[in-house]
Amino acid sequence: DADVTQTPRNRITKTGKRIMLECSQTKGHDRMYWYRQDPGLGLRLIYYSFDVKDINKGEISDGYSVSRQAQAKFSLSLESAIPNQTALYFCATSDFSENTGELFFGEGSRLTVL
Amino acid sequence: LAKTTQPISMDSYEGQEVNITCSHNNIATNDYITWYQQFPSQGPRFIIQGYKTKVTNEVASLFIPADRKSSTLSLPRVSLSDTAVYYCLVGALPSGGYQKVTFGIGTKLQVIP
Repeated sequence: DADVTQTPRNRITKTGKRIMLECSQTKGHDRMYWYRQDPGLGLRLIYYSFDVKDINKGEISDGYSVSRQAQAKFSLSLESAIPNQTALYFCATSDFSENTGELFFGEGSRLTVL
Repeated sequence: LAKTTQPISMDSYEGQEVNITCSHNNIATNDYITWYQQFPSQGPRFIIQGYKTKVTNEVASLFIPADRKSSTLSLPRVSLSDTAVYYCLVGALPSGGYQKVTFGIGTKLQVIP
């Protein structure tokens, strides 16, 4: 089983719908991140959380919200989806005590907004 | 934030050594250099990290000159399975987290039979 699990893996929705992407991890890491990947733009940070009570905006947080329900769970919500939010979304984790700060990524959630 | 510049794409034949250079002219004193690899439809995967001189692991080597304004990822004897996008990241790691580190668009390496 994957250490960082994202659900759903694929989702097609319509403009204006509320969408939640969920991420759970079994690595015991304190830090969790949500990234968005678009062709030609690389990965961009949406939100990050260093612990359950710490939530921070990344470089492209507009139109998104997050919830850190537990150390192991970090959800990304699109309150009213729009077509330019069509992208591949990745959840990642890292451990403060890890020497390299290595990021561990989930397998991605592909979202299409029609 | 330290800006990085790397080639958009590279081609290499199987069995050759591949060197991907990343420029980071405004690297800060406490910044580390980290490389990630991403296969299609997968999340990026950590390859190697260094601060100065040379670092080697079972996958790659990382060469960092004394002025640290650039770095080179070296992949020995590549195979078709090394076809991927390679990202050079610069930031105050490891304890600082990734909130101020950008991935950029990376270098797309195509290995040719």
